[in-house]
Amino acid sequence: EVQVVESGGDLVGTGGSLRLSCSASGFSFSEHGLHWVRQAPGKGLEYVSGINNNGAERNYADSVKGRFTISRDNSKSILYLQMNNVGTEDAAVYYCVKGDYGSGLRGAFDVWGQGTEVIVSS
Amino acid sequence: QSILTQPPSASGTPGQRVTISCSGSSSNIGRDYVYWYQQLPGAAPSLLIYGNDQRPSGVPDRFSGSKSGTSASLAISGLRSEDEASYYCATWDDNVGGPVFGGGTKLTVL
Repeated sequence: EVQVVESGGDLVGTGGSLRLSCSASGFSFSEHGLHWVRQAPGKGLEYVSGINNNGAERNYADSVKGRFTISRDNSKSILYLQMNNVGTEDAAVYYCVKGDYGSGLRGAFDVWGQGTEVIVSS
Repeated sequence: QSILTQPPSASGTPGQRVTISCSGSSSNIGRDYVYWYQQLPGAAPSLLIYGNDQRPSGVPDRFSGSKSGTSASLAISGLRSEDEASYYCATWDDNVGGPVFGGGTKLTVL
């Protein structure tokens, strides 16, 4: 079964740091782009960041650029999101998502995890 | 304010056909494929339509997608109570340099 499972969500104070992880299985991890999408309570989906199959290409939403870093370990089939200088606006459920368009960042998001919640206290 | 514009809500009665619109521009929908995602209450989103009008395996043919110019639509025919969910359109935006989502449409089955 193709699946991605997030972990690492927690309560963090404003200005603090957190690292989210996403473990993948059931597909060739090193052949696919991967992404993080978040959803604040009662709000819509917001694209956060993406990384291509070999880590050479990454993109970030303007709202997180310079604070968040996406990375991946293809030997362990794990995707990461390092979150620094977290603000109240970052409180959300963070979804790990697999891209269907092979190695790049374009294409559909065909596999979603159940999400991990980040709570920010001021 | 989302780059892709969707109506915040839509509704229909069982058996009816409803459509949800997604309006964009030449830098996004006008240039790339449109995708639709369904988010059932309390659940993670899932892929509903890819490549403008293609359904992943397991998605009923009651769901259909279309695109014309800088706009796209999702149609649901034979509406059922289990279709009550939020629906999001998405595509790549060249100005942003990444994927973008619509604000989402909450569908209520009356």
